[in-house]
Amino acid sequence: DAKTTQPTSMDCAEGRAANLPCNHSTISGNEYVYWYRQIHSQGPQYIIHGLKNNETNEMASLIITEDRKSSTLILPHATLRDTAVYYCIVVYSGGGADGLTFGKGTHLIIQP
Amino acid sequence: DTGVSQNPRHKITKRGQNVTFRCDPISEHNRLYWYRQTLGQGPEFLTYFQNEAQLEKSRLLSDRFSAERPKGSFSTLEIQRTEQGDSAMYLCASSDPTERYEQYFGPGTRLTVT
Repeated sequence: DAKTTQPTSMDCAEGRAANLPCNHSTISGNEYVYWYRQIHSQGPQYIIHGLKNNETNEMASLIITEDRKSSTLILPHATLRDTAVYYCIVVYSGGGADGLTFGKGTHLIIQP
Repeated sequence: DTGVSQNPRHKITKRGQNVTFRCDPISEHNRLYWYRQTLGQGPEFLTYFQNEAQLEKSRLLSDRFSAERPKGSFSTLEIQRTEQGDSAMYLCASSDPTERYEQYFGPGTRLTVT
């Protein structure tokens, strides 16, 4: 699986859009980008995933660059409950290992 | 369905003792995963089941660790002869076979080995 690089931590004001970047410059054509988050003392929570098109669901939007070497997770109106560690994970869709490889993620702190 | 549940939530044990954790996945999910998470790190994959078959094991799963899913429903993770380095959060997740990377995690079992 391709490796990912994320900033260690970020701050965002409550009510603003939180934009979390992820670099995956070695991603291959059949690898997806998945995002999870982990609120303190809870298990990780799936947020969204994409291959090459931008995706949106009730939680967030995922913007993937045209060359697929980076992506941005957008939380449109951040609340205090969005304070968490956010993980960007690249997975191969064609079979093989089913376990997710988490890095250290980005600790997002929403400021009141 | 209330999601993935894990028991106990916390376990304190003395070094050398055996411990067993239980995971109850979402009922219609046939895939079940175990992960371990230490402080400040992301979860690390340990093993995975499809129904009752254990299909993948990480090299992190030493011979002191054993996992079972006897009837393809709940799973247990046993650690024999615990060591202080086993202190961690043990997370269980489950997924639908058509969306295997969209995994639903339980709250975890925090193990402290003294």
